[in-house]
Amino acid sequence: GENVEQHPSTLSVQEGDSAVIKCTYSDSASNYFPWYKQELGKRPQLIIDIRSNVGEKKDQRIAVTLNKTAKHFSLHITETQPEDSAVYFCAAYAGGTSYGKLTFGQGTILTVHP
Amino acid sequence: GAGVSQSPSNKVTEKGKDVELRCDPISGHTALYWYRQSLGQGLEFLIYFQGNSAPDKSGLPSDRFSAERTGGSVSTLTIQRTQQEDSAVYLCASSPLRGWFQETQYFGPGTRLLVL
Repeated sequence: GENVEQHPSTLSVQEGDSAVIKCTYSDSASNYFPWYKQELGKRPQLIIDIRSNVGEKKDQRIAVTLNKTAKHFSLHITETQPEDSAVYFCAAYAGGTSYGKLTFGQGTILTVHP
Repeated sequence: GAGVSQSPSNKVTEKGKDVELRCDPISGHTALYWYRQSLGQGLEFLIYFQGNSAPDKSGLPSDRFSAERTGGSVSTLTIQRTQQEDSAVYLCASSPLRGWFQETQYFGPGTRLLVL
């Protein structure tokens, strides 16, 4: 089945800096890659996603890049703000025998210091 | 519209007791998922329902865990003879999931279970 590895497990940056979180996946059939943000005590919420037919997608200060050949995708947050502090999860969807199921990474705790 | 809702929001129980956790998915969503999140950990897949198909139970950690989904809507996760290691946040998510095209999963607020 699909395996998703996420790095780093913790990331600390100063306000205004950029933050990058990377994920690798194992199943070359994976075609959908969402990113979720989970604030302390809250539910995970989708912040951005990308499908395998594109290499990059942007939404204001956040962007996701996908390298299908290398089987990795990354979340980029620019001009970080303290409210960006949260746990971020990547996920991958392969379909096939994993129809309907997302495989999540272990999460990255991002701390943005004012 | 209304999002995914779960009840109770918090549950404290004694070791050995049974508990039932409820999930109300977004109306019209055919796929429903249960996850477990232990303190500071990632999302552990438990079970997945899609329409009238047999559920994917591959993530259930033991036979003490079971889930039902009645009428393709509300789902109940039951944990029998609870153990302290069952303490976690149980998250439910739903998705439109049309055909092979994976859709976004929308999460509920979770049920925080504490087994004493």
